[in-house]
Amino acid sequence: AQKITQTQPGMFVQEKEAVTLDCTYDTSDPSYGLFWYKQPSSGEMIFLIYQGSYDQQNATEGRYSLNFQKARKSANLVISASQLGDSAMYFCAMRERNNNDMRFGAGTRLTVKP
Amino acid sequence: SAVISQKPSRDICQRGTSLTIQCQVDSQVTMMFWYRQQPGQSLTLIATANQGSEATYESGFVIDKFPISRPNLTFSTLTVSNMSPEDSSIYLCSGAVGVAGELFFGEGSRLTVL
Repeated sequence: AQKITQTQPGMFVQEKEAVTLDCTYDTSDPSYGLFWYKQPSSGEMIFLIYQGSYDQQNATEGRYSLNFQKARKSANLVISASQLGDSAMYFCAMRERNNNDMRFGAGTRLTVKP
Repeated sequence: SAVISQKPSRDICQRGTSLTIQCQVDSQVTMMFWYRQQPGQSLTLIATANQGSEATYESGFVIDKFPISRPNLTFSTLTVSNMSPEDSSIYLCSGAVGVAGELFFGEGSRLTVL
């Protein structure tokens, strides 16, 4: 069974600094996708970034990048130049090729300090 | 991104009643899923909504409690039956898009059961 672990219940970062949110996963499927979502206090789930298991390079989307270490089974999200609007819950998720559904980690609450 | 609209956005219901949540997705969506997010928790998959056939439920969720329909590719409903206060949650409709199958979410339905 697939499993996603986010070990940081809460993180603080100073505005304009970078922050790394940790995510490790467990799967026996060689083909899978890793995803990060942001959930602000409004409750909506916002898709941020995707990394495929066969992708050679780390994914980047604007200020978001994914530090993918396949051998360690980790997919950490890096947010550069933090902004106050980045304060939210962040969820790591995985989807295996042989499974249609997506499973989520417990989440990390990020607070950006002015 | 995909357009996914969900209603109602919130409701307050009495114990023992049932509520049906509707979800409309655009034509990019291939698969539809229903998730539950209990207060302060991560997302838990309820079921995969299958077009024209019975939904595929995850362990701990049963059709009698959470009947799901998907009469066509772009529409699905989730009913929360015989509600109790423990059913108070956010219920999220989602749709998978693209080769990677990233999920996009509706705004969520925040349900409070008294």
